[in-house]
Amino acid sequence: GAVVSQHPSRVICKSGTSVKIECRSLDFQATTMFWYRQFPKQSLMLMATSNEGSKATYEQGVEKDKFLINHASLTLSTLTVTSAHPEDSSFYICSATRFSGANVLTFGAGSRLTVL
Amino acid sequence: GNSVTQMEGPVTLSEEAFLTINCTYTATGYPSLFWYVQYPGEGLQLLLKATKADDKGSNKGFEATYRKETTSFHLEKGSVQVSDSAVYFCALSGVDGNTGKLIFGQGTTLQVKP
Repeated sequence: GAVVSQHPSRVICKSGTSVKIECRSLDFQATTMFWYRQFPKQSLMLMATSNEGSKATYEQGVEKDKFLINHASLTLSTLTVTSAHPEDSSFYICSATRFSGANVLTFGAGSRLTVL
Repeated sequence: GNSVTQMEGPVTLSEEAFLTINCTYTATGYPSLFWYVQYPGEGLQLLLKATKADDKGSNKGFEATYRKETTSFHLEKGSVQVSDSAVYFCALSGVDGNTGKLIFGQGTTLQVKP
């Protein structure tokens, strides 16, 4: 079946530094990838939709200059949290689909970011 | 707007008890409905889905029926196990012209005690 891998699974960084999280589709080509953020004991909030070779579409209220998303190939999307602050600490989850606009999503296991 | 509302948790049950987790939605058009499960420390896994009214999704003993008249997609299982302890998310997609975009409920934590 379809597998999506996220790396790193956990990362701790100092305030002011930037952190990159990778999302890879291991056995399929992902036309579209989605990035979600999950706060403790809360639901997932969609941050952005990423299509290969084009700019990501950000949801309202998400700072595109702070959360840089790159989808350079059909198997890799990256989320870079720039100048991270403690309030950026969260669980970031990506999902990917091989079919454009289809309801077939595979989720990664998530990346827990802690900013000190 | 489009939204999903789940019953608040945590839900605590004894093993072999009957489970219901309520989910209602508000959406324009005809969304697809999903239940996802998140085990401790892991990402989300699709549990079941239904793409049109009156469809019943089922998997691993869980089932849910897409009820358009009541805008509901309640999750049920006849006999829960300790291994079912997890957070369950109801979600919808297919609105705003983007069938890949999911809108999640707040999640319901299920604790099953032996």
